[in-house]
Amino acid sequence: QSALTQPPSASGSPGQSVTISCTGTSSDVGGHNYVSWYQQHPGKAPKLLIYEVTKRPSGVPDRFSGSKSGNTASLTVSGLQAEDEADYYCNSYAGNLIWVFGGGTKLTVL
Amino acid sequence: QVQLVQSGSELKKPGASVKVSCKASGYTFNTYGMNWVRQAPGQGLEWLGWINTDSGNPTYAQGFTGRFVFSLDTSVSTAYLEISSLQTEDTAVYYCAREPKTFDYWGQGTQVTVSA
Repeated sequence: QSALTQPPSASGSPGQSVTISCTGTSSDVGGHNYVSWYQQHPGKAPKLLIYEVTKRPSGVPDRFSGSKSGNTASLTVSGLQAEDEADYYCNSYAGNLIWVFGGGTKLTVL
Repeated sequence: QVQLVQSGSELKKPGASVKVSCKASGYTFNTYGMNWVRQAPGQGLEWLGWINTDSGNPTYAQGFTGRFVFSLDTSVSTAYLEISSLQTEDTAVYYCAREPKTFDYWGQGTQVTVSA
């Protein structure tokens, strides 16, 4: 099972919006609606931001939103804030009780 | 509240074994799967597999069969990851994560360092 493809880096200025992509195949991202996004600050455990493509857990600001088209899922962060600077990972169910992660994207707030 | 508390850092020599624990609280242990994820230094997240906490049946990711073993002690709501024949490439932070079709709660991570 190959890792999902994410851009290694992304950046934006405070207040701007940035979108991070996550490309898989019809066996994972394209074939299931179990795509999630996680935020990880240095030295910390990942934190769930988005699940089932578009849903936000309680407590996650609505500045974070998710979407999917075909084999590519996307995370959009609107109204960028300094504390959004972190690594972001997508993951997807790939069938047959298998999960796969993306390689991660380092988001820099300029 | 849901918590996953992992065991402390480990320093092991190549060829040794290590057993990492993940104690769950705040929910009914056998109603959610438990996943294991590792993160090598400076690298991304890598899914190792999961264990069905109701049946005890494990599923391993490709490349993690044989030396990696998942187990449970349901009497104390704890999942375990045991790695045998440790190699320097196994140096990483190992996380457990609860899974109801997403990884909603994570342990704090256990640093495993393999060095001669």
